[in-house]
Amino acid sequence: AQKITQTQPGMFVQEKEAVTLDCTYDTSDQSYGLFWYKQPSSGEMIFLIYQGSYDEQNATEGRYSLNFQKARKSANLVISASQLGDSAMYFCAMRGSIQGAQKLVFGQGTRLTINP
Amino acid sequence: DAGVIQSPRHEVTEMGQEVTLRCKPISGHDYLFWYRQTMMRGLELLIYFNNNVPIDDSGMPEDRFSAKMPNASFSTLKIQPSEPRDSAVYFCASSLGEQGIVEETQYFGPGTRLLVL
Repeated sequence: AQKITQTQPGMFVQEKEAVTLDCTYDTSDQSYGLFWYKQPSSGEMIFLIYQGSYDEQNATEGRYSLNFQKARKSANLVISASQLGDSAMYFCAMRGSIQGAQKLVFGQGTRLTINP
Repeated sequence: DAGVIQSPRHEVTEMGQEVTLRCKPISGHDYLFWYRQTMMRGLELLIYFNNNVPIDDSGMPEDRFSAKMPNASFSTLKIQPSEPRDSAVYFCASSLGEQGIVEETQYFGPGTRLLVL
């Protein structure tokens, strides 16, 4: 079974600092995808970034990058130059490649607070 | 391009009443998912459809829950009878993709916040 672990229930960061949100995963699939979503206080789930298990380079999307360490089964999200609008819940999720592969399995989330 | 549309955005009902949640996926997406989010259990997949056919409903909590997708642009999640423990945010999501394509992103609707009194 697939499992996502986010060990940081909450994080507090000063504005303009970089922040790393941790995510570790467990799967027996050879091919899988890792996703990060942002959930602001308004409640919607916003897709941020994707990393494939066979991608050799770490994914980047603007201020977001994914620090993918396959051997350690970690897929940490890095937000550079944090902004007040980055305050939200962040969820790591994964999807495998075997039957039922369309399922996304989510971690419990990390609540990020950016202080001015 | 319109995203996933859900209605209603908020629903307050009394225990025992029937509740129907609605979802319109992104046009052209073949997969539709229903999730439930609670503080205790986080985000859970309830059921998903491929080309309007239910593929996996193992996450549906019990027989009080049912989901249908009569066509490619509409799905419902029904709870009958509703109970206070059903109070949660219910998300609908959709994606393109074939089985086994891991990179297909799921795009979420704004969610329906359900409160059962």
